[in-house]
Amino acid sequence: GESVGLHLPTLSVQEGDNSIINCAYSNSASDYFIWYKQESGKGPQFIIDIRSNMDKRQGQRVTVLLNKTVKHLSLQIAATQPGDSAVYFCAETENYGQNFVFGPGTRLSVLP
Amino acid sequence: DSGVTQTPKHLITATGQRVTLRCSPRSGDLSVYWYQQSLDQGLQFLIHYYNGEERAKGNILERFSAQQFPDLHSELNLSSLELGDSALYFCASSVGAGGPHEQFFGPGTRLTVL
Repeated sequence: GESVGLHLPTLSVQEGDNSIINCAYSNSASDYFIWYKQESGKGPQFIIDIRSNMDKRQGQRVTVLLNKTVKHLSLQIAATQPGDSAVYFCAETENYGQNFVFGPGTRLSVLP
Repeated sequence: DSGVTQTPKHLITATGQRVTLRCSPRSGDLSVYWYQQSLDQGLQFLIHYYNGEERAKGNILERFSAQQFPDLHSELNLSSLELGDSALYFCASSVGAGGPHEQFFGPGTRLTVL
């Protein structure tokens, strides 16, 4: 498959451990945030979202934390599995618009 | 499978040429978005159409244009191609025009300009 972001920061974790992927966003007026997962050769896939009136949201094995004070977003993946290996992007938008600004991405590598 | 289809999967062309990328949204989705993903620029929003009308523009060059047809499929036209236009082009669709609607991405078109 195609290579995305050959020089992306990489996070390597052992299978079964928890992963934390961080994202610093730029616009203090952003009010809606999404985490996407992109596997090799595929388009981005929605994982979880959060609105600015929340500071935490949980999904299945994933949790997103939002710290508006320092403009920081994180994605926590519990019990990381080999299938979680991918590039993860955060995206932000203002006024719930659809003009999303994407972060540079982090490559998650799950070690057996 | 997201339900969004894009054709062609790969496209190789020369500088100065013009190409058209096609996208069919998920059934029932009225919004179509185009993105460019390159190694040095990451994933960038280009343009958004809702039910045939342009709704938002991002970092889209003047050499690029798009439209959404009555059957809701969309085409992205890239002209006077340059080497730097080589990238993955993704189309995404969603139900609504704004608000926290999940976007579903297609598999992308890999454009190589030689």
